[in-house]
Amino acid sequence: DQQVKQNSPSLSVQEGRISILNCDYTNSMFDYFLWYKKYPAEGPTFLISISSIKDKNEDGRFTVFLNKSAKHLSLHIVPSQPGDSAVYFCAASATDSWGKLQFGAGTQVVVTP
Amino acid sequence: EAGVTQFPSHSVIEKGQTVTLRCDPISGHDNLYWYRRVMGKEIKFLLHFVKESKQDESGMPNNRFLAERTGGTYSTLKVQPAELEDSGVYFCASRATGGETQYFGPGTRLLVL
Repeated sequence: DQQVKQNSPSLSVQEGRISILNCDYTNSMFDYFLWYKKYPAEGPTFLISISSIKDKNEDGRFTVFLNKSAKHLSLHIVPSQPGDSAVYFCAASATDSWGKLQFGAGTQVVVTP
Repeated sequence: EAGVTQFPSHSVIEKGQTVTLRCDPISGHDNLYWYRRVMGKEIKFLLHFVKESKQDESGMPNNRFLAERTGGTYSTLKVQPAELEDSGVYFCASRATGGETQYFGPGTRLLVL
């Protein structure tokens, strides 16, 4: 039973434009959400996170939006750069789960010149 | 500060053999997690240590998998005997007590033939 879903397996975007990645979850107990970025043959690298008490968190070019009523979050990357080409994973955890992360299947982002 | 390290980076074994994976967390991180990614799918939780104690092993597939963290420092994950479906990338992550972010190692790519 997959509780975190990323329905777009891939996304192609032009350099300089906005990348929008989406993630849906089903477990209402999730209260902390993270985005990880993964290059081939490397482990996931933490990118940005958001607590359920917020609806937006921004860090440089990266912004995460959380819509709790819709159980949906999104990651915006503006402007997109070639180095952003990677697989992006959405992950979620619940306070009573000791940090155990549930991941989505990932979205492959390709930034073209 | 050194990140999470994993050894070996790759392992190719035959069905029925035994393999032991090692993870060295970030120094001082009491929380250590094992995850697995199979066939490009989502990253799935296997288990969680707090120091040397298993806090949650609900994701362990079966009793062919044995994880240990003697002394609360590095951890090992043994698969015995290995089956074809055990192939995948095994990630280790660590988190500081009170912190919310898990930091991942580069993974061990296991191929069972």
